[in-house]
Amino acid sequence: KQEVTQIPAALSVPEGENLVLNCSFTDSAIYNLQWFRQDPGKGLTSLLLIQSSQREQTSGRLNASLDKSSGRSTLYIAASQPGDSATYLCAVSPLNQAGTALIFGKGTTLSVSS
Amino acid sequence: EAEVAQSPRYKITEKSQAVAFWCDPISGHATLYWYRQILGQGPELLVQFQDESVVDDSQLPKDRFSAERLKGVDSTLKIQPAELGDSAMYLCASSLVRDGAPSYEQYFGPGTRLTVT
Repeated sequence: KQEVTQIPAALSVPEGENLVLNCSFTDSAIYNLQWFRQDPGKGLTSLLLIQSSQREQTSGRLNASLDKSSGRSTLYIAASQPGDSATYLCAVSPLNQAGTALIFGKGTTLSVSS
Repeated sequence: EAEVAQSPRYKITEKSQAVAFWCDPISGHATLYWYRQILGQGPELLVQFQDESVVDDSQLPKDRFSAERLKGVDSTLKIQPAELGDSAMYLCASSLVRDGAPSYEQYFGPGTRLTVT
């Protein structure tokens, strides 16, 4: 059964710092990996989608990498801002399941202080 | 920008009562998902639809939960009777699926926060 783990569970940094969030998954048989942002009490906002054949994706200050063989992904946030404070969720879409639903980690809660 | 719509945003109900949630996916998205998110956890799938057909409902507690997507567009998730442990955020998502593979992103609605007292 696919399991997704995110480390650290919480992270506090001063504004301007570059940071890395980690995600690991137990089964490399995936269609893709997706990173989301969730603000308190809100729904999920998609940040980046990496197909299984890709190594990385970039959007603005965000860069996500995927190493499928080792079951790891990282989300790099450059020059962090207070507005980046949120919970970041990593999710994979496993090949070996009935549908195409995502399996999520528990998230990393980021706090950026000004 | 197209969005997934959900209502209500908040629902408080008493134990043993019935409750229903509604979702309208992004136009043209044939695949619709209902997830449940307990506080401090990641979302977990309840049911997936492809058009009006159920693709995966293996984690749906069928003794009390039901879901339908009669015309292959909007969807309703029902709980009857509600239990204290059902308190959670219920999230709807939609996506395009090509050739049975999730080539595209899943887009989530704002969710319905359910509190069972």
